[in-house]
Amino acid sequence: QKEVEQNSGPLSVPEGAIASLNCTYSDRGSQSFFWYRQYSGKSPELIMSIYSNGDKEDGRFTAQLNKASQYVSLLIRDSQPSDSATYLCAVRILTGGGNKLTFGTGTQLKVEL
Amino acid sequence: DGGITQSPKYLFRKEGQNVTLSCEQNLNHDAMYWYRQDPGQGLRLIYYSQIVNDFQKGDIAEGYSVSREKKESFPLTVTSAQKNPTAFYLCASRTGTDHNSPLHFGNGTRLTVT
Repeated sequence: QKEVEQNSGPLSVPEGAIASLNCTYSDRGSQSFFWYRQYSGKSPELIMSIYSNGDKEDGRFTAQLNKASQYVSLLIRDSQPSDSATYLCAVRILTGGGNKLTFGTGTQLKVEL
Repeated sequence: DGGITQSPKYLFRKEGQNVTLSCEQNLNHDAMYWYRQDPGQGLRLIYYSQIVNDFQKGDIAEGYSVSREKKESFPLTVTSAQKNPTAFYLCASRTGTDHNSPLHFGNGTRLTVT
């Protein structure tokens, strides 16, 4: 089982719709969770971080965390063509050797006009 | 402006040659990381360093080496022992004072070995 799993997509949504991206993780000791957006050929940029169960909202983005079910999701409201990118889920585990961030393979989102 | 600078953006090498990728940050971050990304795959951790003069192997350290002589710099050497070196290499850093702090990435170096 992969440590962090995402559906590779592509996930296609019409402009203005809500895009829902999901991520599951295997280690119950995971401490913190991040969503990054990566445009083709570019480096990842941080979108959201979440550390506690529940929802966290920032503008059009909402991150949702459920530690009991070991999943974290990202909702994008009023999706725009500029949101078309790959979204990477990252999970931090505090290990004996340090602070390790593990990434999923990413979900490609396409927002269609 | 504070940030992470990776150079060069594109790098071409012949098989059998060692090559060093540069990563410099002026964010005063304690921890620095090197990731590798292949098409259709997520980021895989090569090496990381939490303080100067100390570093740890990540998940795919074989064929790579690093040094951390200065807080600002964390160069990665891709040796001839790395079987499939062609990839997109990403350097990242974060403050070490907060366990929950996110990673900030440089713009990446795309290495092609023929």
